[in-house]
Amino acid sequence: GAVVSQHPSWVICKSGTSVKIECRSLDFQATTMFWYRQFPKQSLMLMATSNEGSKATYEQGVEKDKFLINHASLTLSTLTVTSAHPEDSSFYICSARKPGQGSNQPQHFGDGTRLSIL
Amino acid sequence: AQSVAQPEDQVNVAEGNPLTVKCTYSVSGNPYLFWYVQYPNRGLQFLLKYITGDNLVKGSYGFEAEFNKSQTSFHLKKPSALVSDSALYFCAVSPGPFNSGNTPLVFGKGTRLSVIA
Repeated sequence: GAVVSQHPSWVICKSGTSVKIECRSLDFQATTMFWYRQFPKQSLMLMATSNEGSKATYEQGVEKDKFLINHASLTLSTLTVTSAHPEDSSFYICSARKPGQGSNQPQHFGDGTRLSIL
Repeated sequence: AQSVAQPEDQVNVAEGNPLTVKCTYSVSGNPYLFWYVQYPNRGLQFLLKYITGDNLVKGSYGFEAEFNKSQTSFHLKKPSALVSDSALYFCAVSPGPFNSGNTPLVFGKGTRLSVIA
């Protein structure tokens, strides 16, 4: 079954609105979660690495003030798209590895959030 | 820096025929390689991985992949394709040897597989 849950799965909102996306690890504690963005018919773009209890590490070119990441607990990371505009419309996916697992283990993915800004 | 290439945007195959989805990688040292599948409006599902050992790796839903170090390839295969296999497939690499869980996977651009009845 699913080990990473994402909510909401779909959101439509007006331009200028801030939108929060939640990512939960269901049966394990995740000190690190990854946030990806996927454009239509394109690959995953890593946006940031979310670290529990500390600041997220953003990839080059990703606006940290635009995409706020909070990893306040060991099972929850949130991505807030602030003052969203139509160009922020995309598919956002979070991911995590189970604790104690290194880079030789798969990442588990949420089902993604389709964000549409009107 | 590690990278993954999936040379085909689209692969079409008739149901019942064997399928291959290609992947080549570039990484210093020994790689950890993964295949994922994505269905529409869903996240990625893990299919299989190569860490070490036997070059032929078997995974979920009858898929397998062959690691070829000399060709730096990790092609995904299935002996007999199903219409339900139609989806977007991603190859990914992670640097070896063992690193922390903080190291994210690097993904290829994806290959869309269409299995035609």
